[in-house]
Amino acid sequence: GAGVSQSPSNKVTEKGKDVELRCDPISGHTALYWYRQSLGQGLEFLIYFQGNSAPDKSGLPSDRFSAERTGGSVSTLTIQRTQQEDSAVYLCASSSGGSKNIQYFGAGTRLSVL
Amino acid sequence: AQKITQTQPGMFVQEKEAVTLDCTYDTSDQSYGLFWYKQPSSGEMIFLIYQGSYDEQNATEGRYSLNFQKARKSANLVISASQLGDSAMYFCAMREGRSGNTGKLIFGQGTTLQVKP
Repeated sequence: GAGVSQSPSNKVTEKGKDVELRCDPISGHTALYWYRQSLGQGLEFLIYFQGNSAPDKSGLPSDRFSAERTGGSVSTLTIQRTQQEDSAVYLCASSSGGSKNIQYFGAGTRLSVL
Repeated sequence: AQKITQTQPGMFVQEKEAVTLDCTYDTSDQSYGLFWYKQPSSGEMIFLIYQGSYDEQNATEGRYSLNFQKARKSANLVISASQLGDSAMYFCAMREGRSGNTGKLIFGQGTTLQVKP
């Protein structure tokens, strides 16, 4: 079956603009995660969705970042008023739970803020 | 605080030889999971292998095996018979707690592996 799909693969934006990043998880996976990968900070957890439960937003770096997951499937990560330090690769992962709870990742969205 | 340490920023290995990538972790939790992921230049994170903290046997998946030494808190990845396609960045990651928790992963800084022909 299809893996985790992310779009766009690359996004260039100007400082101060809003951007939306999309993630389409593996069909049937109930858990969805967003991570950020940057040169200075490595890979960082941002937010987690599990079914209809309230999301774990503990990793979001500021209130400019938000995410939603509609219908328990597709998720959108929104960054408002982008800053240059937001430049990074944003990775989405999904999992089906279980004892191992293995996360499968998409190819990421490379965001460049000019 | 939970932490993953990968002390080898870069490694070289000759094609067809075995290589070990180091990973140590720190956690106060008794139940945790350890993962290795491969990230080629294309950027996608590819799951390789999983080891649960209660697993008595070292995990193996094809040419990948995990040398799990619980007392030392180490989870080294061994790649046997290296291939040119193994050239990539490798990340060790840990998930604390039981599966019912958020399951968020904490990653090490990664090791870049280059396989020489």
